[in-house]
Amino acid sequence: ETGVTQTPRHLVMGMTNKKSLKCEQHLGHNAMYWYKQSAKKPLELMFVYSLEERVENNSVPSRFSPECPNSSHLFLHLHTLQPEDSALYLCASSQEKGGRVANEKLFFGSGTQLSVL
Amino acid sequence: AQKITQTQPGMFVQEKEAVTLDCTYDTSDPSYGLFWYKQPSSGEMIFLIYQGSYDQQNATEGRYSLNFQKARKSANLVISASQLGDSAMYFCAMSEYNTDKLIFGTGTRLQVFP
Repeated sequence: ETGVTQTPRHLVMGMTNKKSLKCEQHLGHNAMYWYKQSAKKPLELMFVYSLEERVENNSVPSRFSPECPNSSHLFLHLHTLQPEDSALYLCASSQEKGGRVANEKLFFGSGTQLSVL
Repeated sequence: AQKITQTQPGMFVQEKEAVTLDCTYDTSDPSYGLFWYKQPSSGEMIFLIYQGSYDQQNATEGRYSLNFQKARKSANLVISASQLGDSAMYFCAMSEYNTDKLIFGTGTRLQVFP
């Protein structure tokens, strides 16, 4: 099994749907992240969780709602999305030494390719 | 201001040749880290190499080396002896101690041909 697993790999949803993205890490890490990757744009950090506590919310619209029930699982709940939200959503984890996350090597999943119609 | 700049949207290299992917960064924080990641068509971002701002020597990991020029604020990735499997997107990223965030560039698409 790979270190970070994301499901589903592909998702198509309408603007009124509610769906969830799931991420699971098997590395024993303490920090987990959601990133958004749009075409020809840098990866955008959305949320950071450290020891199941949200430490970063990077001005993300409320139609994206993260949940971290334990240090191995991370969800991204989607509701009333817009077509511009179509992107690759990447989950990552890191060991998180000393309470700081930015100097950590990140381990990424393969992403969920989301299309909003 | 853009923190990470990758000026090469695409690069071609012949198999077994070396290639340099450019990355410049902008920070006033004396403590920072620089990363390179590879993203093949499968989507997964794969960590390649890390350079700390206080590291005296350039980082190396197998066929990957980071040409760190601190005064010029550049952190170019050098891939030696390119292989067909090196074809992918390559992202440069920086973390700053004060902001505690990892910021990515727009990436360079590398294509290795036989």
